[in-house]
Amino acid sequence: GAVVSQHPSWVICKSGTSVKIECRSLDFQATTMFWYRQFPKQSLMLMATSNEGSKATYEQGVEKDKFLINHASLTLSTLTVTSAHPEDSSFYICSAPLAGVVDYEQYFGPGTRLTVT
Amino acid sequence: GQQLNQSPQSMFIQEGEDVSMNCTSSSIFNTWLWYKQDPGEGPVLLIALYKAGELTSNGRLTAQFGITRKDSFLNISASIPSDVGIYFCAGLTTSGTYKYIFGTGTRLKVLA
Repeated sequence: GAVVSQHPSWVICKSGTSVKIECRSLDFQATTMFWYRQFPKQSLMLMATSNEGSKATYEQGVEKDKFLINHASLTLSTLTVTSAHPEDSSFYICSAPLAGVVDYEQYFGPGTRLTVT
Repeated sequence: GQQLNQSPQSMFIQEGEDVSMNCTSSSIFNTWLWYKQDPGEGPVLLIALYKAGELTSNGRLTAQFGITRKDSFLNISASIPSDVGIYFCAGLTTSGTYKYIFGTGTRLKVLA
């Protein structure tokens, strides 16, 4: 199967600082990547769709100026949480679809646990 | 955001028992995916379904794509302790752009 990595796996930062999370597709190219957020005991909520070479598409209610997404290459997308606050503490997971003959199978990274103090 | 409804929300079963869970939507999807998530990790793809009525197996797991394209089912036969985790369904919507909508999850606990 396709492998997606994330870095860091966990991070603790102080309120008001910014944090960058990387998502890489290791053995395939991904023109699109997805960023999700997951609170404890809840499902995954799509935050935005990252598009290589163009602007990200954000879901309703997600602040694009707070969650900056950059898809610099076909294997790397980054999510920067700017001016982080405790309520931004969450589990952030990225995914990349692997294009197939019929449709797209989506593979997830291991996630990044963000704690804002 | 939009979510798919999964049931049951949680279940406790004895090792060796079969498990059934389902996922329903008010919208039509062209692809259904089933994932398992262990605590603190990303979801792992179990089964992908592409056609209405399709029945696909992966070891002890069997999933079906509902005829109406608004639901999907996952069955686990002869459960073992390592089956414990949260199972999510995801539907691929292609209205506008491609994106996946996730179910609310079914938390499975297996008693040895």
